[in-house]
Amino acid sequence: DSGVTQTPKHLITATGQRVTLRCSPRSGDLSVYWYQQSLDQGLQFLIQYYNGEERAKGNILERFSAQQFPDLHSELNLSSLELGDSALYFCASSVDVGGINEKLFFGSGTQLSVL
Amino acid sequence: DAKTTQPNSMESNEEEPVHLPCNHSTISGTDYIHWYRQLPSQGPEYVIHGLTSNVNNRMASLAIAEDRKSSTLILHRATLRDAAVYYCIYSGNTGKLIFGQGTTLQVKP
Repeated sequence: DSGVTQTPKHLITATGQRVTLRCSPRSGDLSVYWYQQSLDQGLQFLIQYYNGEERAKGNILERFSAQQFPDLHSELNLSSLELGDSALYFCASSVDVGGINEKLFFGSGTQLSVL
Repeated sequence: DAKTTQPNSMESNEEEPVHLPCNHSTISGTDYIHWYRQLPSQGPEYVIHGLTSNVNNRMASLAIAEDRKSSTLILHRATLRDAAVYYCIYSGNTGKLIFGQGTTLQVKP
């Protein structure tokens, strides 16, 4: 158990809908990262938050947004869903700002299926 | 993005050592080399990381070439539970870990 909690584990929805994925980092970790894993694209970095502020951005679509709350949990919002958004979404956390010497701890993921 | 090159797949026999290679020819002098693995139906899991000298922990050893352009993850005695995708990564100037396709390790009993 990594200590990172993601809910829900599975989500099935329809095209055009909006969903929210939730992540609770390990106790004491200030950074939260979101990754998307699909069969054809592998593990893609989406976005990082550090202590409530956006820290780094990757290949995140404009239809997707995220935020980190004062209690440090994070939510990833996906809107106007398309079939191609079906993927595993992972959250990870780290102690600090995410320097090159830091370890990431990953949750078990949310499997999103868009029908 | 920081680029590493790994073989797509490798096979090993149970209880034998496994050497997983990685090339990272564009790595800078301050980038750490990280290894993560992803077991089936799980999130990636930290294995080991290092900068210049070889590193050991309870899971594995990391051997880093003197010019730092390549490294090798060593599993001393592979078990069936070590079957996973192994990712070799470094952050580059982005400061964030970018995962490649990794090496799928099969362990045969």
